[in-house]
Amino acid sequence: RKEVEQDPGPFNVPEGATVAFNCTYSNSASQSFFWYRQDCRKEPKLLMSVYSSGNEDGRFTAQLNRASQYISLLIRDSKLSDSATYLCAVTYTNAGKSTFGDGTTLTVKP
Amino acid sequence: DAGITQSPRYKITETGRQVTLMCHQTWSHSYMFWYRQDLGHGLRLIYYSAAADITDKGEVPDGYVVSRSKTENFPLTLESATRSQTSVYFCASSDLGTASKAPYGYTFGSGTRLTVV
Repeated sequence: RKEVEQDPGPFNVPEGATVAFNCTYSNSASQSFFWYRQDCRKEPKLLMSVYSSGNEDGRFTAQLNRASQYISLLIRDSKLSDSATYLCAVTYTNAGKSTFGDGTTLTVKP
Repeated sequence: DAGITQSPRYKITETGRQVTLMCHQTWSHSYMFWYRQDLGHGLRLIYYSAAADITDKGEVPDGYVVSRSKTENFPLTLESATRSQTSVYFCASSDLGTASKAPYGYTFGSGTRLTVV
């Protein structure tokens, strides 16, 4: 079993839809959690850190459930420009090494 | 320019040759990392460094060597390239942060696409 697992998708949604991704992790000692966005053939870019209390940035909401060991990313009012692969990452010490999920691919269609 | 830069962007080399991929960051971040990304495997950690002169193995270190004599540079060397090392290589950096600061994620370089023939 992988340390960090994501549903690879693809998720195909119409513009304006709400879509949610989950990411499960196996190490209960994990301390920091992140979502990254990766466009085709480019480097991953940090989208959001995930805090225990949950956090929101515009149309994006990230949540952490330590009891069930998963993090989630909710995208509201999807835009064409949201089409990308979304990677979750888990670290065991602040700013230490991260383990990444394989990514979930989202395609937003007109 | 501030940021993290990788060179070269593209590299084709022959089996058995030594290849060095360069990574340079201008923020004085403590942590630096090398990942490779392949279809079906996602991002896998090769080596990382917590500070100058401190390096440690990641998930897939075999066939690679790193050094970090200066905080800003973290080169990755393939001692004798093999076809299985054909991949996209990403360098990343991160700061330690503090107890009162939110955890830091990574900033990635734009990657090196390496083909071993």
